[in-house]
Amino acid sequence: EVQLVESGGGLVKPGGSLRLSCAASGFTFSDYSMNWVRQAPGKGLEWVSSISLSSNYIYYADSMKGRFTISRDNAKNSLYLQMNSLRAEDTAVYYCARTYCTNGVCYLFVLDSWGQGILVTVSS
Amino acid sequence: QSVLTQPPSASGTPGQRVTISCSGSNSNIGTNTVNWYQQIPGTAPKLLIYSNNQRPSGVPDRFSGSKSGTSASLAISGLQSEDEADYYCAAWDDSLMGVFGTGTKVTVL
Repeated sequence: EVQLVESGGGLVKPGGSLRLSCAASGFTFSDYSMNWVRQAPGKGLEWVSSISLSSNYIYYADSMKGRFTISRDNAKNSLYLQMNSLRAEDTAVYYCARTYCTNGVCYLFVLDSWGQGILVTVSS
Repeated sequence: QSVLTQPPSASGTPGQRVTISCSGSNSNIGTNTVNWYQQIPGTAPKLLIYSNNQRPSGVPDRFSGSKSGTSASLAISGLQSEDEADYYCAAWDDSLMGVFGTGTKVTVL
């Protein structure tokens, strides 16, 4: 069974930093692109970042460029999101999500498995 | 920010057909495929439709998707109470970013 478990969330002051982790199990992690998606309280889904199988291709939403860094460790079956210079508007539930891949082809932005989400609150 | 526009709400009685629209542009829906996600409040989103009209295994065939030009739509036929949820369209944009729709809350009357 595919499992994605986020950790590292919590309360942080504006301007602070936080590192989210996503532990993957139940599938060969290195065969899949991965993503972070967030959802502010009472709001819709917002794509944050995507990373390819070997970290060769990395993409960010404009509002996160320069502040957030996505990374992965295939040996540890883990995905990360380093968040710096946090703002109140970054307050959200952050989801780790797997890209649908089959027969060596990954389908851009088709997110077939999601974690349960982790809450990040930016407030003084 | 969302660049795909959806109606904020839709509703129907059990058994009815409900359709949700998703409007984008040439740089996203116009050139890339559309995916749909269902989110029951308090839970993580679930992939409902991918590549415009493909259903992952386990998704009932009551759900169907289509795309034409820079717009897409999701249809739910034979509406059931468990279909009450938020629905989001999504597509990759040629500016190298993912974009979600604004979301549509479906209510079963």
